[in-house]
Amino acid sequence: GAGVSQSPSNKVTEKGKDVELRCDPISGHTALYWYRQSLGQGLEFLIYFQGNSAPDKSGLPSDRFSAERTGGSVSTLTIQRTQQEDSAVYLCASSLRWRTYQETQYFGPGTRLLVL
Amino acid sequence: KNQVEQSPQSLIILEGKNCTLQCNYTVSPFSNLRWYKQDTGRGPVSLTIMTFSENTKSNGRYTATLDADTKQSSLHITASQLSDSASYICVVTASTGTASKLTFGTGTRLQVTL
Repeated sequence: GAGVSQSPSNKVTEKGKDVELRCDPISGHTALYWYRQSLGQGLEFLIYFQGNSAPDKSGLPSDRFSAERTGGSVSTLTIQRTQQEDSAVYLCASSLRWRTYQETQYFGPGTRLLVL
Repeated sequence: KNQVEQSPQSLIILEGKNCTLQCNYTVSPFSNLRWYKQDTGRGPVSLTIMTFSENTKSNGRYTATLDADTKQSSLHITASQLSDSASYICVVTASTGTASKLTFGTGTRLQVTL
């Protein structure tokens, strides 16, 4: 079946504008994760959703970042009042379940965000 | 603080040669360790996953080892191919009975040349 898809693939925006990034996980995967990958840096965990449980927002860097997951499937990551330091690749991943020892996360291709 | 350190940062090898990438971690309580391959412009793809009791895992020409005592892992690539050019990321999961947290290394960028 189809893998994790993300849109847009690239986004250029002006400082101060809001942006929305979309993630379509693999069908049937209950866990969904957002990560940020800055140039030359490792992946930085932002937020994850597991089924109907409250999301773990512990990785969100500021209150300008928020995410939601509608109907347990598609997720959107919203960045308000973007700053230049928000420029990065935003990766989404999904897995069948959370808290399983052999869990594998399947990553989407990412959205490359550039804030001018 | 949980940390994952990878070395070298980058590596250039000739096609057909072998290479070994290193991952040292200070993650507790340890649950599992994964190696991912990330091609330029793509999302990471899982290569191997090892739990505490496993000390080696192979996936084709990729062989990962884990020494849970010294908290070290290595990824060995045999008979490298041009398509092996990518970043290789080590990811360690810390897990308690109620929560899990992933810590990512910054990766080793491998370039295989003719």
